[in-house]
Amino acid sequence: DTEVTQTPKHLVMGMTNKKSLKCEQHMGHRAMYWYKQKAKKPPELMFVYSYEKLSINESVPSRFSPECPNSSLLNLHLHALQPEDSALYLCASSRTRSGQPNSGANVLTFGAGSRLTVL
Amino acid sequence: DQQVKQNSPSLSVQEGRISILNCDYTNSMFDYFLWYKKYPAEGPTFLISISSIKDKNEDGRFTVFLNKSAKHLSLHIVPSQPGDSAVYFCAASAFGNQFYFGTGTSLTVIP
Repeated sequence: DTEVTQTPKHLVMGMTNKKSLKCEQHMGHRAMYWYKQKAKKPPELMFVYSYEKLSINESVPSRFSPECPNSSLLNLHLHALQPEDSALYLCASSRTRSGQPNSGANVLTFGAGSRLTVL
Repeated sequence: DQQVKQNSPSLSVQEGRISILNCDYTNSMFDYFLWYKKYPAEGPTFLISISSIKDKNEDGRFTVFLNKSAKHLSLHIVPSQPGDSAVYFCAASAFGNQFYFGTGTSLTVIP
């Protein structure tokens, strides 16, 4: 199994709703990531979990709350979002977050994304 | 400030010819570079990588060249096929830390 599975594929929510995005991988990867991508822009890193611990939070607003229940699952809880938060949310995983230079251990495998629209 | 740049938003190439996609970076500490390919409604998929100790890596029709002095890398696809039509992102990292992505180049291969 070489896939990262994201659900739902599409989500429309109001600014007062609470929803969650889910991500699952069964490749034995120990690092998982959330990226946000807007049209014609590169993916922007939001959060990194390494061995189920949050290791990077790129100054993301608290209306986005990540959770890593176990090594295979990563959630992104959404609450009180703004219309400008509408974007493609990509989950990714890698074998490790190796600190070794020239390392291929952290090549990212991406999911297909969850397209979020905030009304 | 964008540390990885892809200055060509789009590229059109005839089937069978060579496609050359370019990427420039500013951080001299980057030591690992990747190319990803993205079809609409799908996540990016890993294509090919190169470490800073090499200047060329080849995998079938895909070759990545790295010019460290110019802080430039390029992806060559030869021969180009219609199925290669996609958005290509380059990405770079330093010491196995987070990847920085370029803005992407949309490649269209014309049959």
